[in-house]
Amino acid sequence: QAVVTQEPSVTVSPGGTVTLTCGSATEDVTSSHYTRWFQQKPGQAPRTLIHDTTKRHSWTPDRFSGSLLGGKAALTLSGAQPEDEAEYYCLLSFTDSWGGEFGGGTKLTVL
Amino acid sequence: EVQLVESGGGLIQPGGSLKLSCAASEFTVSSNYMSWVRQAPGKGLEWVSAVYSGGTTFYADSVQGRFTIFRDNLKNSLYLQMDSLRAEDTAVYYCVGEYSSSSGLYWGQGTQVTVSS
Repeated sequence: QAVVTQEPSVTVSPGGTVTLTCGSATEDVTSSHYTRWFQQKPGQAPRTLIHDTTKRHSWTPDRFSGSLLGGKAALTLSGAQPEDEAEYYCLLSFTDSWGGEFGGGTKLTVL
Repeated sequence: EVQLVESGGGLIQPGGSLKLSCAASEFTVSSNYMSWVRQAPGKGLEWVSAVYSGGTTFYADSVQGRFTIFRDNLKNSLYLQMDSLRAEDTAVYYCVGEYSSSSGLYWGQGTQVTVSS
């Protein structure tokens, strides 16, 4: 079973830029993993920010972007806002895993 | 706008049963990939069960044999029958829909299930 790794916590200054990563313990992450990124605020359901590695959802602000970086998937936030403080989860698709594998989440603090 | 609305959660004793429901609008349950994801208190996201458009079902090892996923195409709804509930099943349960493995996921607002005596 693949293990998906994320930074447990990251801090960014308001207006700053930060990159969160999503890796696999067993292989490099590629476009074939169809990476999705979700944002979850306290007491709320997750919502999709990015799908298919780089594609923004209809409600995703332009300051969020997805990419591949050094064998991992990456979520970059450019110009952090206080309302971006949340937990961020990634999801990778694997051929031998129905549904795919969630990462453990990254708690992003804007401070 | 896609909407998934869950219901049916509550407080139940260990060994009891619950049936969760998910009513979909602007999203066809029968022709897309539907699943249940749960989140235990203070924890991350965990797949529980899924059903493909063709009817194939999947279950996490932890719920295999105890939970059953099914859908009602006429009501455009998804269900999760949960039997032999355990304390470790305590979580918020989310209904999730997706068009394909590369598309975005649509999430319901979640329903709380608490298993406790």
